[in-house]
Amino acid sequence: GENVEQHPSTLSVQEGDSAVIKCTYSDSASNYFPWYKQELGKRPQLIIDIRSNVGEKKDQRIAVTLNKTAKHFSLHITETQPEDSAVYFCAASKGGSYIPTFGRGTSLIVHP
Amino acid sequence: DAGVTQSPTHLIKTRGQQVTLRCSPKSGHDTVSWYQQALGQGPQFIFQYYEEEERQRGNFPDRFSGHQFPNYSSELNVNALLLGDSALYLCASSLGGSGSYNEQFFGPGTRLTVL
Repeated sequence: GENVEQHPSTLSVQEGDSAVIKCTYSDSASNYFPWYKQELGKRPQLIIDIRSNVGEKKDQRIAVTLNKTAKHFSLHITETQPEDSAVYFCAASKGGSYIPTFGRGTSLIVHP
Repeated sequence: DAGVTQSPTHLIKTRGQQVTLRCSPKSGHDTVSWYQQALGQGPQFIFQYYEEEERQRGNFPDRFSGHQFPNYSSELNVNALLLGDSALYLCASSLGGSGSYNEQFFGPGTRLTVL
């Protein structure tokens, strides 16, 4: 089955800095890669996703890149704000089921 | 329009007992997936229900079972509880079953503690 590795487990940045979270996946058939944000005590919420037919996608301060050859994808957050503090999960899934396999999460802490 | 709702919010059980968790999907959604999220881990897929049938199943023992009702709501049952079953159980709803991706919307979860 699919295996998703996520790094780092904790990321501490100053407000205004950029943050990068990296994930690798094992199944070359995976073709859909969502990212979720989970604030403390709250439900995971989809923040951005990317399909395997594109290499990069942006949404305001958030961007995701995908390297299919290397089987890795990354989340980039620019101009971080304290409200970006949360646990971020990457996931990989593929057609037929689209059941996501999640990484273990990255705790992002943005210091004011 | 209510989003995904789950009940109860918290639950404490002892080893060997049985538990039932409930989920109501977002309005208009017909597919319900269940996940187990242990502390400090990502959600792990348990199973997915569509058209009142289990369509996909993750790597969980058959102590974990479920049901989907005609109104698309769902239950997760866990028998013979173990300490390791302590986790946040998340329900997610979507539209259209498997075969095409539609965004999953998560509920707030049920925190199960097994003593």
